[in-house]
Amino acid sequence: DTAVSQTPKYLVTQMGNDKSIKCEQNLGHDTMYWYKQDSKKFLKIMFSYNNKELIINETVPNRFSPKSPDKAHLNLHINSLELGDSAVYFCASSQGDREGSPLHFGNGTRLTVT
Amino acid sequence: SQKIEQNSEALNIQEGKTATLTCNYTNYSPAYLQWYRQDPGRGPVFLLLIRENEKEKRKERLKVTFDTTLKQSLFHITASQPADSATYLCAPRTGGADGLTFGKGTHLIIQP
Repeated sequence: DTAVSQTPKYLVTQMGNDKSIKCEQNLGHDTMYWYKQDSKKFLKIMFSYNNKELIINETVPNRFSPKSPDKAHLNLHINSLELGDSAVYFCASSQGDREGSPLHFGNGTRLTVT
Repeated sequence: SQKIEQNSEALNIQEGKTATLTCNYTNYSPAYLQWYRQDPGRGPVFLLLIRENEKEKRKERLKVTFDTTLKQSLFHITASQPADSATYLCAPRTGGADGLTFGKGTHLIIQP
């Protein structure tokens, strides 16, 4: 069984559209994350979220918003997509209150904005 | 500002040799450091964690060292195999639930 799953795997859309990427984890973790990996393969934290707080990387545009219907899901909504949003987006989870708890990643969603 | 440096150029190693990857950090005092492996088209996978009070950690053919004076971690793969070819990422962590910051990674190629 896949521990962290993301859908869709590929997403091609036009500038200005609004899109969502879904993420689910079945590990019972209390903290989930979204990362962006750009064309240079640099993996950058966007959000971390548990049932207590949302921590937002200050460089993330407010067009990006995480939505968590429950502890096992953290979806990423993106409004007014721009060319520069093209990247691979990774969801991850961990047991946030356990120091050193490793991150478990999904296999990514490749977003292409045309 | 905090900075993590890895040799982001490809590292070519002959099969059977030991591969050594370097992770240097500045303006950090990490409580621990994690290493991950990433294969093309996949998400990173956790390999090892080493804490600031540990000098060395081993797991099968993998060995990690942590020198808080030099602000450096070394990641070794002994008896390397072509299947070890991947990108390896380091992530020093100061604690908290705000996610890991990763280095850019080192692309390791093990040649048969």
